[in-house]
Amino acid sequence: QKEVEQDPGPLSVPEGAIVSLNCTYSNSAFQYFMWYRQYSRKGPELLMYTYSSGNKEDGRFTAQVDKSSKYISLFIRDSQPSDSATYLCAMNYNTDKLIFGTGTRLQVFP
Amino acid sequence: DADVTQTPRNRITKTGKRIMLECSQTKGHDRMYWYRQDPGLGLRLIYYSFDVKDINKGEISDGYSVSRQAQAKFSLSLESAIPNQTALYFCATSTAANTGELFFGEGSRLTVL
Repeated sequence: QKEVEQDPGPLSVPEGAIVSLNCTYSNSAFQYFMWYRQYSRKGPELLMYTYSSGNKEDGRFTAQVDKSSKYISLFIRDSQPSDSATYLCAMNYNTDKLIFGTGTRLQVFP
Repeated sequence: DADVTQTPRNRITKTGKRIMLECSQTKGHDRMYWYRQDPGLGLRLIYYSFDVKDINKGEISDGYSVSRQAQAKFSLSLESAIPNQTALYFCATSTAANTGELFFGEGSRLTVL
């Protein structure tokens, strides 16, 4: 079993929809949770960062962590075609290295 | 110009050839990383370096070697390339206070025939 599981998609939604992206994990020691966005032919870039459980909001994006269920989510409100990308969750429990999910490909059509 | 620059961006080579992928950064970060990305497997860490004298193996270091020539330069070598090393390779940097934020280059696509 992988330490971090993420549905690869693709997920296709109409513009304006609410998108929910999710990851599950097995290691209860994870404390830092991140979402990276990767556009085609580009490197990943950090989108959201959360420490421990709870919610964090940044504009149209909300990151949610439920440590009791070992489940993290990224919500995108009012999705736009420019949100079309691959979204990778990542997490760690020390300062050395991240464990990445495999990524979910999202397509938002006009 | 990009803060993290990888060369070459694309390379096709043959089995058994030696290949070097180069990474340079202008962010002034101490920590540098090499990852490979494969469909269905995500990003996996090959090697990482916290400063010029500190090199560490990652999850999948077999068949790879690295050199940290300076704070700003970190090279990945495949001594004898094999087809299952065909992948997209990313260099990344981070600050010493690691919040989990990695700054990635645009990737080097390597194909081994």
